[in-house]
Amino acid sequence: AQRVTQPEKLLSVFKGAPVELKCNYSYSGSPELFWYVQYSRQRLQLLLRHISRESIKGFTADLNKGETSFHLKKPFAQEEDSAMYYCALSGRGGNTPLVFGKGTRLSVIA
Amino acid sequence: GAVVSQHPSWVICKSGTSVKIECRSLDFQATTMFWYRQFPKQSLMLMATSNEGSKATYEQGVEKDKFLINHASLTLSTLTVTSAHPEDSSFYICSARELPGETQYFGPGTRLLVL
Repeated sequence: AQRVTQPEKLLSVFKGAPVELKCNYSYSGSPELFWYVQYSRQRLQLLLRHISRESIKGFTADLNKGETSFHLKKPFAQEEDSAMYYCALSGRGGNTPLVFGKGTRLSVIA
Repeated sequence: GAVVSQHPSWVICKSGTSVKIECRSLDFQATTMFWYRQFPKQSLMLMATSNEGSKATYEQGVEKDKFLINHASLTLSTLTVTSAHPEDSSFYICSARELPGETQYFGPGTRLLVL
């Protein structure tokens, strides 16, 4: 069964501190992993996807197949990073939809 | 980037009435659109996958006759909540994808309140 687990509902960090939002998944096959972000009163938007191997707004995420994890990291948190973060997966190619985790609310304290 | 719009952004209706929500891809043709439902402080739950010109595929537990989905064109999908009841009150979000395997873009959502 497809499942995405985000163990933390809320994560509070001080400005300038490192951030790690945890995401673990279960999927029989080779999934594609994503991180989506939802700022206050805005729509859900793609932050990054694992196949791109890019850094967006200072965030990176590495797919660890052995640990079935796709944790989101940023070395120095900024206040504007405060938002709801969702980890999601889908099957590669085809018309498979995204399966979302329950989300983690990141609060960056000044 | 690609833009997906939803209309209306919010709607209040009486119990027993039907409500139609539109989802449009503004600058691309969406072969596939998805409808999600989000309860307060919870994640997005997929309701159905809609492919242009064919019947929608509903997730387990989602009533087809209750949530009618039509994807008549490559830029428009509609979700009709029939005979709405208070428990249907939720935030409904659509997303659209131009081609299989590509990024899904999300609409801003429609908040439905059934009195």
